[in-house]
Amino acid sequence: GENVEQHPSTLSVQEGDSAVIKCTYSDSASNYFPWYKQELGKGPQLIIDIRSNVGEKKDQRIAVTLNKTAKHFSLHITETQPEDSAVYFCAASGASGGSYIPTFGRGTSLIVHP
Amino acid sequence: EAGVTQFPSHSVIEKGQTVTLRCDPISGHDNLYWYRRVMGKEIKFLLHFVKESKQDESGMPNNRFLAERTGGTYSTLKVQPAELEDSGVYFCASSAGTPTTDTQYFGPGTRLTVL
Repeated sequence: GENVEQHPSTLSVQEGDSAVIKCTYSDSASNYFPWYKQELGKGPQLIIDIRSNVGEKKDQRIAVTLNKTAKHFSLHITETQPEDSAVYFCAASGASGGSYIPTFGRGTSLIVHP
Repeated sequence: EAGVTQFPSHSVIEKGQTVTLRCDPISGHDNLYWYRRVMGKEIKFLLHFVKESKQDESGMPNNRFLAERTGGTYSTLKVQPAELEDSGVYFCASSAGTPTTDTQYFGPGTRLTVL
């Protein structure tokens, strides 16, 4: 089955800096890559996603890039703010058999220091 | 519009006891999913309901776990008897129509601790 690796497990930045979280996946058939943000006391919430027919997608301060050849995708947050502090999860789905069930990475705890 | 709700938020039980978790999806969402995250690890899929039917239960760890969704509204996940390795955060998510394209909305989770 699909395997998703996520790095780093913890990321500490100063307010205003950029943050990058990287994920790799194993199954080349995966075609949908969502990113979730989990704030304290809440469940994961979708913040951005990308499909395999697109190389990059932006939404204000966040962007996601996808390299299908290398089977890796990344989340980029620019001009970080304290409210960006949360756990971020990457996921991949659409692998062998067309499964829509996402396989998640282990999460990255992002800490933005004011 | 109310989001996905889960009850209880926390549960602490002893090994061998029974616990029932409840999930209320967003009104009108036919798809309901259960996931579990063991501390520090990935969120893992448990099962998927479409209305009251189990569409995919390939992630259920063993027969100590029983999920139901009578009437196609709320769902319960019962663990009986609970073991230490069942500890973790159990998330429920729901989505509207097409599982392959529709966003899954997650609840806040139930933190289960088995002592």
